[in-house]
Amino acid sequence: RKEVEQDPGPFNVPEGATVAFNCTYSNSASQSFFWYRQDCRKEPKLLMSVYSSGNEDGRFTAQLNRASQYISLLIRDSKLSDSATYLCVVNPGLYSSASKIIFGSGTRLSIRP
Amino acid sequence: NAGVTQTPKFQVLKTGQSMTLQCAQDMNHNSMYWYRQDPGMGLRLIYYSASEGTTDKGEVPNGYNVSRLNKREFSLRLESAAPSQTSVYFCASSESAGAPPMPQHFGDGTRLSIL
Repeated sequence: RKEVEQDPGPFNVPEGATVAFNCTYSNSASQSFFWYRQDCRKEPKLLMSVYSSGNEDGRFTAQLNRASQYISLLIRDSKLSDSATYLCVVNPGLYSSASKIIFGSGTRLSIRP
Repeated sequence: NAGVTQTPKFQVLKTGQSMTLQCAQDMNHNSMYWYRQDPGMGLRLIYYSASEGTTDKGEVPNGYNVSRLNKREFSLRLESAAPSQTSVYFCASSESAGAPPMPQHFGDGTRLSIL
């Protein structure tokens, strides 16, 4: 099993829809989690952190489920500009080395008009 | 603000050639990183530097060397390029080395092809 797994997609949804995708991680001791967004042929950009209590930023909600070892990203009222690849990132320890940070391979989201 | 600037943006090399990828950030960040991204795979850390004068190996350091010239600049060198090093390379920086040392700002990337 990969340390961080994401459904590669693509998720193809109409504008205005709500879409959610998950990311599973294998190390139960993992401490911190993040979502990055990467547009086609562009650099990744930090989207949001994922806290145990959940995290909401506008139309985006990130959740952590420690029991089942996954994080999720929900996008409400999706916009054409939300089309991108969403990368899940897991840091095994709060003070661990940068070399332990694991990037998922990403879930591609395509919003159609 | 320029943020993180990488040069060159594209490069084609022949096997065995050497080259240096340059990276500079103007945000006064302590930590800098070099990642490679290959199709179907997540970003993989090559080297990182928690502060000026220090460098550490990441997940895939073989075939690469780095130099943290000063706080602003972090270069990546391929001494003898191999086709397996064909990839997109990203430099990144972050404000702090700790808790956790997540790359916050990425450069535009360098698309490198080794023939």
